[in-house]
Amino acid sequence: KAGVTQTPRYLIKTRGQQVTLSCSPISGHRSVSWYQQTPGQGLQFLFEYFSETQRNKGNFPGRFSGRQFSNSRSEMNVSTLELGDSALYLCASSLEPQNTEAFFGQGTRLTVV
Amino acid sequence: GENVEQHPSTLSVQEGDSAVIKCTYSDSASNYFPWYKQELGKGPQLIIDIRSNVGEKKDQRIAVTLNKTAKHFSLHITETQPEDSAVYFCAASITGTASKLTFGTGTRLQVTL
Repeated sequence: KAGVTQTPRYLIKTRGQQVTLSCSPISGHRSVSWYQQTPGQGLQFLFEYFSETQRNKGNFPGRFSGRQFSNSRSEMNVSTLELGDSALYLCASSLEPQNTEAFFGQGTRLTVV
Repeated sequence: GENVEQHPSTLSVQEGDSAVIKCTYSDSASNYFPWYKQELGKGPQLIIDIRSNVGEKKDQRIAVTLNKTAKHFSLHITETQPEDSAVYFCAASITGTASKLTFGTGTRLQVTL
C-alpha cells in the first residue's frame, strides 16, 4: 500500500510570506504528526492531529498551525516566514495516537530566502 | 519534558563488523522506544522498536536492548553492510493519549569496504 505522501517536495519562499504543506497519511491511518528537522535542532515535534482535532502541540510559535480533514489528510501552515524556518518538514502517520508506530513521509524541504 | 541523548554522533565500521548506538532518556514514564534510519534525501524509516515491558528485541541483523532502571537503550547492528550507511535516530515516547516522539540527535554510521 502507498506510504505517507507529502507535497510539495521542495519549496522556496521569501521572508514574510506564508506557506502551506500537505500530507496524505497511509490509508487507514487516522493520526498525523508533523516534525521539523534542521541541522542545528534535529527532529522536533510540531503538532499531532487525530479526528480533525489537534491533540498535542510542541514548543513552536503561533505562526505554525495545522489542520486535519475528515479523510485524515493534513496541512500545516507557516505564516510570516523567517529565515530560521528553513527546514525539512516531515509528516508521520500512525493508526491512532495510542498506536505509536509512526511512519514518515519524505518531507518537504522549505527554503526561506 | 523528555530529553533523549544519543552517542556517538558519528561511527565508522568496516563491513562485517558490528555497530552499537546508545541512547539515554530522562522521563521514567516513557515506554516506547523506536529506532529510525534516514538515508540522504529521504524521511526517517522505522527499523525496529521496543516497548518497556520487553528487555530485548531482535530482527535479523538488528537488535535493540532496553534497561529501564538505567533509562538507556541501544541499537545493535551485526554483520554490517554498505547499505547500512545512514543516519540513525533513537526516540522515546509515552503511549496512551497521544504520540509525540522525542528524538536523539542522530548517529551517522559509515560502513567502509
